[in-house]
Order: sequence, then structure tokens, then C-alpha cells
Amino acid sequence: GEQVEQRPPHLSVREGDSAFIICTYTDSATAYFYWYKQEPGAGLQLLMSVFSNVDRKEEQGLTVLLNKKDKRLSLNLTAAHPGDSAVYFCAVSGGSNYQLIWGSGTKLIIKP
Amino acid sequence: EAAVTQSPRSKVAVTGGKVTLSCHQTNNHDYMYWYRQDTGHGLRLIHYSYVADSTEKGDIPDGYKASRPSQENFSLILELASLSQTAVYFCASSGLGGQEQYFGPGTRLTVL
Repeated sequence: GEQVEQRPPHLSVREGDSAFIICTYTDSATAYFYWYKQEPGAGLQLLMSVFSNVDRKEEQGLTVLLNKKDKRLSLNLTAAHPGDSAVYFCAVSGGSNYQLIWGSGTKLIIKP
Repeated sequence: EAAVTQSPRSKVAVTGGKVTLSCHQTNNHDYMYWYRQDTGHGLRLIHYSYVADSTEKGDIPDGYKASRPSQENFSLILELASLSQTAVYFCASSGLGGQEQYFGPGTRLTVL
């Protein structure tokens, strides 16, 4: 079945710099792609959703890139600030599965 | 207003005791999910439901039961709580399977 690998597991960047997180998936029929943010002690908050016909999506300092040829999904946070410190998860669905398949998470720390 | 709520927010239970975690959603979603998250790890799906009075097993259903008495409510039941079930439990809802999920704030369960 579908497998999702997320990296890096930990990421530390300075305030104002960019942070880059990657997920790779295995099922070429995967159609829906999501990024979530989890702040300490809180639930998961949906950041962005992307359908497979979109290669790039930008919203509020976040850029999601989808490379279907390489089966790679990425999240780029530009000009990171302390409020971006959290755990970020990717999730994908579609194809042979009807549930979300989750990445293992990236703990992002923004240093002053 | 929060669309997915969970109760209790935290609970301490004794080994062998019965625990019921409750979830309520006002999203008018058909799908509801229970996940567990262990410290420093991602999400694992326990049970889900796509219609009232019916539940389905997820990836790690052993030791858990679920109940969906109405579209809005979804419960997770631990008949005989064990130490290994200490974790944070998240409920989520979605309109369709595979679509973006919206999460509750989580329940921190400690089994002693």
C-alpha cells in the first residue's frame, strides 16, 4: 500500500530564514495532498491542501510544491518566525486508499 | 467556535479499568476518526466511521472499541486499560474519506 516518508525529522533554522520539508510517496495515483501543523499540546491544524492538478501553491508565507514525476511533496516556510515552531505533518490520499496516509512529522525550531 | 471537541481533555486511569473518550463534531461530516499519538511520534489510526451505527477498524484496533451513535458523536472505548495505552488521543472528522480532516484538541490519557 501507499507509504509516505517525511524528512527531516528535526529542523532548526534562524528567524527570518527559510525551512524546507519534504515528503515522498509511493502510489502514483495519489490525488490529495495536505500539510498540517501541530503546536505543543494542541491538535493538528490544516495548513494547506493541494489537488494533484496543482504543481505549486502559495499562501501566507508558505509554498507547497508537488512533483508528481518524482512523487515528492514539499513545504517551504519563507521568513520563519517564532510562531512557526511546531511539528509539521504531511498527509496524502487517493489512489488505492481512501484514508489519509501520514508522514512521521518534522519538528521545526526557529532560533532567534 | 471549535468544530471538533473532545472530552475529557486529560484523564488518569488505572490498569484494567474502563475508559471512554468522547468526540463531538459540528462540521456535518460523515467520516470520523480516532488516532493515537505517542510522544515524539506521528499518528496511528485506531478506528473510523463513515456512517452512524457503524465503525471500521483502522491500523491498530486491538484493545479498543468504537461507537458512533449519531453523525455528531464518536466514542473510543478501552474496556481494560493497559499501561501501553498511555498516549494522546485525537479525534478528527472529514466530509469524505481521503479529504482533509479536522482535528479536536486531543485527550491526554495516562494509565497507571
